[in-house]
Amino acid sequence: ETGVTQTPRHLVMGMTNKKSLKCEQHLGHNAMYWYKQSAKKPLELMFVYNFKEQTENNSVPSRFSPECPNSSHLFLHLHTLQPEDSALYLCASSQEDGGASNEQFFGPGTRLTVL
Amino acid sequence: GQNIDQPTEMTATEGAIVQINCTYQTSGFNGLFWYQQHAGEAPTFLSYNVLDGLEEKGRFSSFLSRSKGYSYLLLKELQMKDSASYLCAVRDSNYQLIWGAGTKLIIKP
Repeated sequence: ETGVTQTPRHLVMGMTNKKSLKCEQHLGHNAMYWYKQSAKKPLELMFVYNFKEQTENNSVPSRFSPECPNSSHLFLHLHTLQPEDSALYLCASSQEDGGASNEQFFGPGTRLTVL
Repeated sequence: GQNIDQPTEMTATEGAIVQINCTYQTSGFNGLFWYQQHAGEAPTFLSYNVLDGLEEKGRFSSFLSRSKGYSYLLLKELQMKDSASYLCAVRDSNYQLIWGAGTKLIIKP
């Protein structure tokens, strides 16, 4: 257990569905991240929230919509996805305080399949 | 552009030593990380290097040469549970992590 939980662990959805991924961190961190992990590819950073403010949006299509209601919770709202969006979606958190390593702690991920 | 290179897959024998290399070209450098990821699980933090040299942590060690844009992760006394993917990541000048595609390590008895 890393202190970061994600639900659901698995999700199958059609291209016309709307669904949401949820992430919660119990570490008291002030930054949270969404990543996409596809087979044999580097982790792709999608969104960053620092102190609940979105600080990074790496040209992610608008069919992915993040929400960060507080520093412990992060959502990723999904609508009209494409089959190529099938991947493992990882949430992570870190304490960004100018310290040395500020390593990121990851949740177990949501395995998403778009039919 | 920014790039992290590491071998796709490596095989080693239980009890042996293996070295996983990582080379990087990034806009700025604010530290290099190694993570371990077992199949179907979250990546977990292994090590952090920001200065040149070797950092040792039990059976695992990580080395950094900033002038060469090079790091390696050294795993000693390999155990079957070390079978996993090992991810190299560099924090750039914007303090964002740039990730390699990972090295899948297969341990054979």
